[in-house]
Amino acid sequence: QSVLSQPPSTSGTPGQRVTMSCSGSDSNIGSNYVYWYQQRPGAAPELRISRNNQRPSGVPDRFSGSKSGTSASLDINGLRSEDEGEYYCAVWDDSLKGAVFGGGTMLTVL
Amino acid sequence: QVRLVESGGGVVRPGTSLRLSCAASGFVFNTYGMHWVRQAPGKGLEWLAVVSYAGNTDFYADSVRGRFSISKDNSKSTMYLQLNGLTKDDTAVYYCARTGAQWRMIDLIDSWGQGTLVTVSS
Repeated sequence: QSVLSQPPSTSGTPGQRVTMSCSGSDSNIGSNYVYWYQQRPGAAPELRISRNNQRPSGVPDRFSGSKSGTSASLDINGLRSEDEGEYYCAVWDDSLKGAVFGGGTMLTVL
Repeated sequence: QVRLVESGGGVVRPGTSLRLSCAASGFVFNTYGMHWVRQAPGKGLEWLAVVSYAGNTDFYADSVRGRFSISKDNSKSTMYLQLNGLTKDDTAVYYCARTGAQWRMIDLIDSWGQGTLVTVSS
């Protein structure tokens, strides 16, 4: 059972918008930056959003992140087939003195 | 560009030890903290440890504290993870990763290696 809660799965059709959530607590999301990663099958994770809402160079502007209190969200607009994969949120936890990952949300593009 | 290459994985017996290495290039290694993360077959990502840019401070997940040890050699641009007392539950792909900001070790990850597989089996 992860410290960060993510729904196990979500789906959408090409062109749609999907939103993934990540719920934590005061000691993690409430105090520190949230990061989001995409992992395609058989590949290493890749950064999609850093520091709550910063999009790294090379990441399409279809990806956006936000944080409010102890929850965070990742939005993907204009869904494309290459967006399929597992999405993980991650954050530093001040109480645990360590980083924590959510359990992941599997995104299927129908 | 940032390049992280893990090595040292393989098949080992329960109770034995292993040392993983991560060779870094493409950035100023001694200004970044570094993480290890693992992923058991069919499971999610599990954070293991982080070491500061200078290599003098580290933090561990409860699941590995006391058994695993992280270190970095800035003169060689290489990070290590010493794994002791291995059990079948340690079977996983082990990823080396870089923190997202210079000087800050509690920033999460912005770059990942391709991983090295450790299989613990009798």
